[in-house]
Amino acid sequence: EPEVTQTPSHQVTQMGQEVILRCVPISNHLYFYWYRQILGQKVEFLVSFYNNEISEKSEIFDDQFSVERPDGSNFTLKIRSTKLEDSAMYFCASSPEMGLFGNTIYFGEGSWLTVV
Amino acid sequence: QKEVEQDPGPLSVPEGAIVSLNCTYSNSAFQYFMWYRQYSRKGPELLMYTYSSGNKEDGRFTAQVDKSSKYISLFIRDSQPSDSATYLCAANDYKLSFGAGTTVTVRA
Repeated sequence: EPEVTQTPSHQVTQMGQEVILRCVPISNHLYFYWYRQILGQKVEFLVSFYNNEISEKSEIFDDQFSVERPDGSNFTLKIRSTKLEDSAMYFCASSPEMGLFGNTIYFGEGSWLTVV
Repeated sequence: QKEVEQDPGPLSVPEGAIVSLNCTYSNSAFQYFMWYRQYSRKGPELLMYTYSSGNKEDGRFTAQVDKSSKYISLFIRDSQPSDSATYLCAANDYKLSFGAGTTVTVRA
């Protein structure tokens, strides 16, 4: 069964450092997402991406965050200068459709980011 | 404003019991409603989705949506210890809005 794969599974970084989280979405999917889950809290939407540009983003997704699809398979989330409060599990997701017209959003296993 | 509300539980039931999970939502624009299952420190796994109001059944799982009362339900029949997990309800406009998740333990 096709799946969303994410690397690394766990990363520890020092405050102020840049972090790049990588994802390989399901191959025939067109829409890509990043969500995050702070320990013990809800899964929260960060950003959606379609046709090589951001479709929607939440208030969490400030100037410290960026996303990129550098080639035909990878989708990355960059945090420029990490803060302690960025410590969370980051989930990549993909779907063949989006929003009101789509409902099959599949998640990866997550990248656990610890900022110290 | 919390768009999707879910009682975090925990909920503990004996094997074979029916598990009943519920959520409420506030955004009338939501059209698609999903249930995800999440194991500790793993990604959410899509279980079922429904469109608008109505029921959907998949094996031991039944999802219900009542748009008039903005109520979402998931029922698990003949529950098994392997059903022990956190269950997340979610609703979709341009993004998924998740509930807090209900942690379910099915005791053997």
